[in-house]
Amino acid sequence: NAGVTQTPKFQVLKTGQSMTLQCAQDMNHEYMSWYRQDPGMGLRLIHYSVGAGITDQGEVPNGYNVSRSTTEDFPLRLLSAAPSQTSVYFCASSRPGRANEQFFGPGTRLTVL
Amino acid sequence: DAKTTQPTSMDCAEGRAANLPCNHSTISGNEYVYWYRQIHSQGPQYIIHGLKNNETNEMASLIITEDRKSSTLILPHATLRDTAVYYCIAFAGGTSYGKLTFGQGTILTVHP
Repeated sequence: NAGVTQTPKFQVLKTGQSMTLQCAQDMNHEYMSWYRQDPGMGLRLIHYSVGAGITDQGEVPNGYNVSRSTTEDFPLRLLSAAPSQTSVYFCASSRPGRANEQFFGPGTRLTVL
Repeated sequence: DAKTTQPTSMDCAEGRAANLPCNHSTISGNEYVYWYRQIHSQGPQYIIHGLKNNETNEMASLIITEDRKSSTLILPHATLRDTAVYYCIAFAGGTSYGKLTFGQGTILTVHP
């Protein structure tokens, strides 16, 4: 199993550009989440999904969209990037019964100029 | 979610036990204690969790006080690869999905 994979590893955007951060897992996990990590702030939940077709907002959802059309994939979309979205983004997944034993991906380091 | 308090940093000699404390004095009866760690530049890694009883797995042991106001994560034989930030999280997740909130954690440095 590859576990949780994220692409790209690094990305530089200009303000106003859009992009999609990809996240995939091959463990057939129902639950998937997106977090961002900023220096001195710990990890903060952006959006999460408890199954295909179901998504909900976390602590800091503004400026981000998500969808979950398959169990495996949970992309995070930035519609109009802002410098405040410069951060490291982590995707995580888990399964029912062990929902909070989350497996994290390696992260995407995003810089918005 | 109950607030947790952890020391900012700790040191440990390689091969010795690392004991990481966490205070969660306002924890309620249905809140679990979860521990994660994050090795530099990697995603967080789940370690262990518990509600009332002490727990042990292949990575660590979790000791929860009888009044549940504090807990200790024990890495029995720390190695250099255990150098990481360790997060203690108290929340009412259990087997249902919960929104993990990671605070500042404890920076554990294991020395040769």
